[in-house]
Amino acid sequence: QVQLVQSGAEVKKPGASVKVPCKASGYTFTNYGISWVRQAPGQGLEWMGWINAYNGNTNYAQKLQGRVTMTTDTSTSTAYMELRSLRSDDTAVYYCARRRAAGNGMDVWGQGTTVTVSS
Amino acid sequence: DIQMTQSPSTLSASVGDRVTITCRASQSISNWLAWYQQKPGKAPKLLIYKASSLESGVPSRFSGSGSGTEFTLTISSLQPDDFATYYCQQYNSYPWTFGQGTKLEIK
Repeated sequence: QVQLVQSGAEVKKPGASVKVPCKASGYTFTNYGISWVRQAPGQGLEWMGWINAYNGNTNYAQKLQGRVTMTTDTSTSTAYMELRSLRSDDTAVYYCARRRAAGNGMDVWGQGTTVTVSS
Repeated sequence: DIQMTQSPSTLSASVGDRVTITCRASQSISNWLAWYQQKPGKAPKLLIYKASSLESGVPSRFSGSGSGTEFTLTISSLQPDDFATYYCQQYNSYPWTFGQGTKLEIK
């Protein structure tokens, strides 16, 4: 079946970096994009950006520009989200989601990776 | 950035009720709107895309409508499984933005 599987929880110190993988299966990886969405504890959803798995083009949320990089490895059907210079307010659950062609939403989601930033 | 405002923030209702959640955009987004359902500790689930298109496998008691700046999600007859938090999201322009969420509680 179509699924996105993410890695387990991470604990990082302020200033460090985290790289979260998202492994896709059950579909042709390069036919879709991957979006990343995060959710701080008790808060709503925040779109971080997306990557076109076919050509690697990206679009990032302005507030994360310079700190976030999204990449893909098509040989393993895995997307990655790296966030650098971590701060306490980056503590959140990070989700990857499959982005369908224009206008059709994010239809398959990973289970989420909890990233805790604490000294 | 386009601001998405949902109302109400919390809604108390009973099984069998008809409920409506409203989502307003700070500028026109045509029909580039999706609705998601999220339960505690779980990833969001796509319910509606392009404002009114029902995602495959989603019960027909869910429906969406609207265009431009005002949108609604309606659940025609609440079921126990529907108590959750609902988010609207625009994808007319970057950055994509979500509403703050509407928590649907059991009365």
